[in-house]
Order: sequence, then C-alpha cells, then structure tokens
Amino acid sequence: GAGVSQTPSNKVTEKGKYVELRCDPISGHTALYWYRQSLGQGPEFLIYFQGTGAADDSGLPNDRFFAVRPEGSVSTLKIQRTERGDSAVYLCASSKQGGQSYGYTFGSGTRLTVV
Amino acid sequence: AQKVTQAQTEISVVEKEDVTLDCVYETRDTTYYLFWYKQPPSGELVFLIRRNSFDEQNEISGRYSWNFQKSTSSFNFTITASQVVDSAVYFCALRYDYKLSFGAGTTVTVRA
Repeated sequence: GAGVSQTPSNKVTEKGKYVELRCDPISGHTALYWYRQSLGQGPEFLIYFQGTGAADDSGLPNDRFFAVRPEGSVSTLKIQRTERGDSAVYLCASSKQGGQSYGYTFGSGTRLTVV
Repeated sequence: AQKVTQAQTEISVVEKEDVTLDCVYETRDTTYYLFWYKQPPSGELVFLIRRNSFDEQNEISGRYSWNFQKSTSSFNFTITASQVVDSAVYFCALRYDYKLSFGAGTTVTVRA
C-alpha cells in the first residue's frame, strides 16, 4: 500500500484479555518495527523483523508480548493477559532494508486502552 | 549508552515567531544517524530530516532549519515564522544498529 496501515486504530479491552494488533507495511519493505509510546513519552523500541524472522526482540517487556510476521509482510503484535500498564499507542514502522540509509515510515498507531 | 535528551517539554509561541527546539544526544558510535519527526494530533510520525554523523552542514528546508554540532552533541531544529499548522509534538531520535532511540518530545503550540 501507499503507507503503513495499522488496525484497529483504537482498542479498548478488559484487564486479563488477549489482544492482537495488526500492521500492514509498505509493499516491498523487508524491515518492520514495533514501537510503544506511552503518554507524554517518545516511542520505545519493541521488536524488529527482517523478512519473516524477528532479528531483535530485546524491547519486548515480558513474555506476555509476542509478534509474528509469517509471510514477511503483515505483522501481528499479540499481548496476553493484558494489564492496565499496557495501555499505550503501539506504532509500527517499515523500511526498505534495515533503515540505515533509508527512512522509516510509521503508521498512525493503535491506541490500546486496558480497563 | 544511546540517549537523546529534549530538555524542553513545551513551547508556546505566537504565530510568526521563530522557535528553536533543542536536542542533545549521547552515543559511543562514530557513525550514527540523527532524525527529527513531527507528530501532529492525528498521531502519525512524520519524517522531517535525517542527518549522518559525517555531515555537519546545516540544512534549510523552507521554514525549517537544522543546526548539527558534533562538538556539543547537539542537533537543534528551528522553525522560522511559525504557523498554527506547526503545532505538534516534535521528536529527535538517534539511530543505533537499526533501532531508533527517541527523546521525550517537545510540544509546540503556535497561537494565532
């Protein structure tokens, strides 16, 4: 597509529930990133995919968080047993390669609210 | 450690005033990239500029200009003759490996 698409744009869930957040990157972009932005803060790195594999998941806060990118395009961020502290905007970005010499394009994010 | 500091939390100006946003970074890398992004109320991060560590030339793009000084580890951003549409949160970021480390952002409010 023309840009990075994230769905849903807003998600409200109850504490303890499971959620999935979807990211559809720009066509042809092999690198995909997830960031989390808490209120009043800058985005923080969660995970980086190069193709289908997670090249770096060091930013995932704990084992309740998991992400996949099975066909090297769309990615899903999965959060189990959600907690109120997981409330944030989850941003997805893609780039042609690893972004070293290329720009990153960000989506509009999914605002997750855990009540 | 890779760190970006944006000391200004909020700046409020009247239209047509100039506004300068400060960014100070820390890195042990000799090759690195610095970025500025704009985040309007709609939420998406809009890319403004990327600068690599070997290019210390200042850059101007329309009403925007950037001052990169390696000696002080700063990459400041100036909006000249601000407009209401410039109201947004602005982030400075440092790339290390393939990840971006963002500052906390500066909220700019331009009043008519």
